Amino acid sequence: KNQVEQSPQSLIILEGKNCTLQCNYTVSPFSNLRWYKQDTGRGPVSLTIMTFSENTKSNGRYTATLDADTKQSSLHITASQLSDSASYICVVSAPFSGGYNKLIFGAGTRLAVHP
Amino acid sequence: DAGVIQSPRHEVTEMGQEVTLRCKPISGHNSLFWYRQTMMRGLELLIYFNNNVPIDDSGMPEDRFSAKMPNASFSTLKIQPSEPRDSAVYFCASTDRDLYSGANVLTFGAGSRLTVL
Repeated sequence: KNQVEQSPQSLIILEGKNCTLQCNYTVSPFSNLRWYKQDTGRGPVSLTIMTFSENTKSNGRYTATLDADTKQSSLHITASQLSDSASYICVVSAPFSGGYNKLIFGAGTRLAVHP
Repeated sequence: DAGVIQSPRHEVTEMGQEVTLRCKPISGHNSLFWYRQTMMRGLELLIYFNNNVPIDDSGMPEDRFSAKMPNASFSTLKIQPSEPRDSAVYFCASTDRDLYSGANVLTFGAGSRLTVL
């Protein structure tokens, strides 16, 4: 079973609208949770990184929330733009038996913003 | 900085051929990662180097895959012999912190899209 699950798998919205992407994880303990944006044909780019003690973090029109008790995170995009069309990947960093932190990737949510 | 540089961007080869993917990490970054991305499995870690030393290669699928980092500015991922199921996008990423620090942020390259016919 995937330890990081994202929903929805894909989403279509109209330009200017808001949307929220969900991430549920079962990884425990964890060091931090990240959201990455991946444009088509490009590598993922970091949007936010939150430790377990942080509830919210913003990066421009992107706001990530984290509820460590329920093991849920969300990424809210405000006033969407065509350039927001991309895959959004939730990543959990967790301590690994090797003594370092391993990144566990979700499958991503593919967002399409239409004019 | 030009970021993480990968080559080739696209590779089409026939089953059984050797494939070599190349990566130049960001100068000063001491950790380097190779990932594979497919529609079915998403992003998977293949191998992690720290200070040119392989720390975790548990994600390398099988003996057909090998990776080297002869110096701080260059790494290769080799597949020999290649098979159709190896078709994927291979990403290289680097960071200036090792994975013992939880707050590292990876910078990814643009990826190498491999198609094995």
